Amino acid sequence: RKEVEQDPGPFNVPEGATVAFNCTYSNSASQSFFWYRQDCRKEPKLLMSVYSSGNEDGRFTAQLNRASQYISLLIRDSKLSDSATYLCVVKGGMYSGGGADGLTFGKGTHLIIQP
Amino acid sequence: DTAVSQTPKYLVTQMGNDKSIKCEQNLGHDTMYWYKQDSKKFLKIMFSYNNKELIINETVPNRFSPKSPDKAHLNLHINSLELGDSAVYFCASSQDAALYGYTFGSGTRLTVV
Repeated sequence: RKEVEQDPGPFNVPEGATVAFNCTYSNSASQSFFWYRQDCRKEPKLLMSVYSSGNEDGRFTAQLNRASQYISLLIRDSKLSDSATYLCVVKGGMYSGGGADGLTFGKGTHLIIQP
Repeated sequence: DTAVSQTPKYLVTQMGNDKSIKCEQNLGHDTMYWYKQDSKKFLKIMFSYNNKELIINETVPNRFSPKSPDKAHLNLHINSLELGDSAVYFCASSQDAALYGYTFGSGTRLTVV
């Protein structure tokens, strides 16, 4: 089982729709979780952290289910500018390097918002 | 006022050459990293440095060596480049990754021909 698994997509979604991604992680000891966004030929940028109680930032909602070891990201009222690859990121794990600050990245889910 | 800057942005070189990629951060972060993103877009950590001390060293070939002259810099040296080294290399830094994650540089696209 991969450390962090995501559906690679692409997800083709009409503008204004709501879209949700899921991500599963294998290390039950993981403590911190993030969603990053990566535009084509650009660096990954932090979109939001994921807290146990769930958290919202504008049109974006992140949820964590520790029992099932999955993380979700919900985007409401999607915009053309939301088109990007969304990376699920977990702190810790075998391939994070084992160090205190190692982050393990999923391969990303590619989202295309269509006008 | 770029937070994490790396140079060069593009690097095209022949097999067997030795090259370096530089990275500097002005965020005052304690830890810096090098990641490799291959053609399948998978981001994998290569190295990290905390206060000049290597604390993560993934199973990368010893042709790759990180060098940190000070807390704000982490350079990547690559010897005897191979075709399979072609990828995008990202530098990143963090102060408390558990809370704030990483800040990435804009990447260096390395092409070995």
